[in-house]
Amino acid sequence: DAGITQSPRHKVTETGTPVTLRCHQTENHRYMYWYRQDPGHGLRLIHYSYGVKDTDKGEVSDGYSVSRSKTEDFLLTLESATSSQTSVYFCAISFTSGRVMNEQFFGPGTRLTVL
Amino acid sequence: GENVEQHPSTLSVQEGDSAVIKCTYSDSASNYFPWYKQELGKGPQLIIDIRSNVGEKKDQRIAVTLNKTAKHFSLHITETQPEDSAVYFCAAQNAGGTSYGKLTFGQGTILTVHP
Repeated sequence: DAGITQSPRHKVTETGTPVTLRCHQTENHRYMYWYRQDPGHGLRLIHYSYGVKDTDKGEVSDGYSVSRSKTEDFLLTLESATSSQTSVYFCAISFTSGRVMNEQFFGPGTRLTVL
Repeated sequence: GENVEQHPSTLSVQEGDSAVIKCTYSDSASNYFPWYKQELGKGPQLIIDIRSNVGEKKDQRIAVTLNKTAKHFSLHITETQPEDSAVYFCAAQNAGGTSYGKLTFGQGTILTVHP
């Protein structure tokens, strides 16, 4: 998984509780992404980061926040979990060669269930 | 923003047959088109990609074609094997400018190869 770990790998929580998912990389890549995967929707971008403390919203960012205080860690927080946030969450990393964007490498995923 | 449509959603073939998965995209600024394979319980892995300055790319039994005018691209797998069974995703990206490498994914195709 290209030096990417996600924790926890599985989590069950209750509606209304805060949840934080962690993505850790050992590649020192600049770009990091959080996606969610749901049947029939493929992967959808939640938030992304283009450097330490530089983050922006993706397609489905409502109810999520992120932080990146150091290159290797990108945290995804569900401020008050809802059942609609039950999903599999993937972190990805990437880098540029000159001005060209390279492929994204994905982590193993976190399966989150909100009861 | 970009919209990627992928067909079919499921594809069943006999071992040794060919499989074709098709995607269309909406944003003419997209110039990078990766294909990912996802096995059960794992993160997506890149299997082949193509940039908009190339019409076709081949890697052993896998090939991708791109028609920029029609805004569609396809994955071709020849001589399929049972281990090709997985979920396949296409994606599109504007690999330059300020897009920061954001990928827009298709909905996925479940490929089953019967021995």
